[in-house]
Amino acid sequence: QVQLVESGGGVVQPGRSLRLSCAASGFSFSNYGFHWVRQAPGKGLEWVAMIWYDGSNKYYRDSVTGRFTVSRDNSNNTVYLQMNSLRVEDTAVYYCARRGGMAPIDYWGQGTLVTVSS
Amino acid sequence: EIVMTQSPATLSVSPGERATLSCRASQTVSTNLAWYQKKPGQTPRLLIYAASSRATGIPARFSGSGSGTEFTLTISSLQSEDFAVYFCQQYNNWPPLTFGQGTKVEIK
Repeated sequence: QVQLVESGGGVVQPGRSLRLSCAASGFSFSNYGFHWVRQAPGKGLEWVAMIWYDGSNKYYRDSVTGRFTVSRDNSNNTVYLQMNSLRVEDTAVYYCARRGGMAPIDYWGQGTLVTVSS
Repeated sequence: EIVMTQSPATLSVSPGERATLSCRASQTVSTNLAWYQKKPGQTPRLLIYAASSRATGIPARFSGSGSGTEFTLTISSLQSEDFAVYFCQQYNNWPPLTFGQGTKVEIK
């Protein structure tokens, strides 16, 4: 079955970096695009970034453009989110999600918590 | 950016009753709208896409309707496993994908 497992979250000081990973299994990884979506404590879901199936196109929300980079390794079935210059407002659970054929997102991971605090 | 507004924030319903959740878009999204269910400790689950199409494996008691800016998710007869938070999401005009703030369906 489809599985997406995020890792790499933790506590980091403002201005520092963190790299999240999303290991995928149970489907043909290279055929799918992926999103990163986050949820800050007590808030709703917020889309962060998206990468196409072949990595040829990437999209970001305005507030992370220039600080976050999404990438993928099709040989290791893994998607990454490199987060630089982290801010307190980036604190959230970060979800990796697969772009579906009919829906924008059809499967989600369990999420990894990123806490930005001094 | 299209703003999605869900109402109510919390819905108290007895098991077996009908639940009706609303989602409004700040501008038309045609039928490019999805609904997701999120339970504590679990991954979100796709319920509905294209406003009214049930995802694979989703029970028939879940139904979606609407187009343009007004959408509804109906759970015809609430089961114990349906108590959760429900999010709507538009994908007509992205990036960014945008979500509603969620409706929590709780036991009355």
